[in-house]
Amino acid sequence: DTAVSQTPKYLVTQMGNDKSIKCEQNLGHDTMYWYKQDSKKFLKIMFSYNNKELIINETVPNRFSPKSPDKAHLNLHINSLELGDSAVYFCASSHAPGEQFFGPGTRLTVL
Amino acid sequence: GQQLNQSPQSMFIQEGEDVSMNCTSSSIFNTWLWYKQDPGEGPVLLIALYKAGELTSNGRLTAQFGITRKDSFLNISASIPSDVGIYFCAGWGNTGFQKLVFGTGTRLLVSP
Repeated sequence: DTAVSQTPKYLVTQMGNDKSIKCEQNLGHDTMYWYKQDSKKFLKIMFSYNNKELIINETVPNRFSPKSPDKAHLNLHINSLELGDSAVYFCASSHAPGEQFFGPGTRLTVL
Repeated sequence: GQQLNQSPQSMFIQEGEDVSMNCTSSSIFNTWLWYKQDPGEGPVLLIALYKAGELTSNGRLTAQFGITRKDSFLNISASIPSDVGIYFCAGWGNTGFQKLVFGTGTRLLVSP
């Protein structure tokens, strides 16, 4: 019955590797998002997709590439991981302005 | 990037006390929202406010959308231990692209 799910929950990897985080929502929402939460707990939007179309890209490095195969999925692929990419990444979906449902987060640690 | 300022940064209170926190912005927002984040979890929506001056309650929580549309506050009455977490305000709809801008967070600790 999970509304927004993410995998994996934890991801530990070496600098320079490529990794992906998957997100799925079963709420029937049209819009999905990726957020980054840093060590000080600041939450910042990275990307927004509406009906599989990219509508927001918050000047995120192009090493980050979101992909939405369908309305219910929004995956995040990260190339050439850097130490500064270590953070918690949240996927979210929404049906009404601002009212977003967040996944449980993926804690990425780059060594 | 744009960020909303929340105060206080953290609070440590006794169970049963009332709590008040606020959020200010240099920009106008069309919608103000309050989220709570438990440790190891994603934020969960508590209250959404859509009109300037609006006062809305959700159980022991009450929030208001400031008249100037540049601020909001959240009150929690009769706090309980499960109120522990980080509370975020968020503003929506003041830019060409519709996105949620989050506050800096208020960490609440409740002593039984």
